Formats: sequence, structure tokens, C-alpha cells
Amino acid sequence: SQTIHQWPATLVQPVGSPLSLECTVEGTSNPNLYWYRQAAGRGLQLLFYSVGIGQISSEVPQNLSASRPQDRQFILSSKKLLLSDSGFYLCAWGVKGHGEYEQYFGPGTRLTVT
Amino acid sequence: GNSVTQMEGPVTLSEEAFLTINCTYTATGYPSLFWYVQYPGEGLQLLLKATKADDKGSNKGFEATYRKETTSFHLEKGSVQVSDSAVYFCALRDPSGTYKYIFGTGTRLKVLA
Repeated sequence: SQTIHQWPATLVQPVGSPLSLECTVEGTSNPNLYWYRQAAGRGLQLLFYSVGIGQISSEVPQNLSASRPQDRQFILSSKKLLLSDSGFYLCAWGVKGHGEYEQYFGPGTRLTVT
Repeated sequence: GNSVTQMEGPVTLSEEAFLTINCTYTATGYPSLFWYVQYPGEGLQLLLKATKADDKGSNKGFEATYRKETTSFHLEKGSVQVSDSAVYFCALRDPSGTYKYIFGTGTRLKVLA
């Protein structure tokens, strides 16, 4: 069966520090991968998605970036965190192909920028 | 563009009450529709889905029917429990082939004993 891992689970970082959040998927190959952010009391905002190694689509311009160095690894980064980067970050994967396929979410990383 | 609109929360109900959470969508074509649930501090879990008009998705006593004529996918449950307290997200999969999913803003449900 498929499993999606995210780490760390929680993170407290000062403003201006770098960020690296990692997501890995097991039990599937060539998935679509996604990063979302959920700010306090708000819905899900799609940040990035990837349909393959090295292929990244950015949905919202900001000081975050994403990379996909391996088929089942998706990394969210920042060189300098802002207070507004605080939130709950969710990684997800989805099956390629059209139609009824749902997304599968990881457990999330709660980031607090102080 | 594609979008999903959910009713504002929070929704507070007594145990065994009837639940409706409204969801409407705008999309070109015929997207697949989903309801996800998020328990405190966790990621999202798929609750149910429907792939074409008049399909009814159901799971754990929850139901939603894909209504093309009203572009709606309202979530219902006949008798809620305290354990149903969570945030519920309506979502669609972009039918145009971009592999994107569009989520509503979520509706928080609180069920009181």
C-alpha cells in the first residue's frame, strides 16, 4: 500500500532563517506531487505541484521554492523565512490520468516563524 | 477559472442532529468531486467522491450527490456524533488535464454531546 511521509512534524524557526521540508512517498511510482499551505483558520492554498522529476509548477509567487530531485521525493524550501510563512504545510500525491483519482495527504508539518 | 465555494462555518450541532454542509462549484467540463475531512492536527482524509452527474458518494454515514444542474455537491449526514467534529473540505479535480485540485475554504463542524 501507499504511504506518504513528511518531516519534521513541527518546526519553530526565526524570521530570516532557511527552511527545508521533506516529503516522500512509498508504494507508488511516477506520482504527481503537491505542496499546500493551510494558514490558521483558512483553507488550503496550493503552492506547488510536480508531474515528474525536475518539473515544478508554482501557483503563488512568494519566497518559497520546491524541488523534486527523485521520483518520490518532494522538497519545500526557503532561503529566508517571513512571519507570514507560518502555517500547516501539507504534502500530497495523486495518480496520473484523468478522472476520478483523489489525492492522498501526508500528516503535515506545522511551521511557526517567530 | 475553476472554483469551489463552501458555506461559512463554524457549524455547531447537537449529537444526533442532521447535518448539511453546502458546496457549489464552477468548472469547465465535468470535474470529479470530493469531500475530505481533517481532524485536529492531522492531514486530510478522503471522505467520499463522485465522478459524474447524479453519482452519490457515501461513507461512514455521510452522503453527497453530484448535481450538475445546480453545480452542487452538498454533504449530508442523518445523525452526527461528537467524533464527527472536524473540518470538512469540498474539492474538485481540474477536468482540463492540469492535475490540479481546487479546494474550498473548509467548514468547521463542532458536535456537542
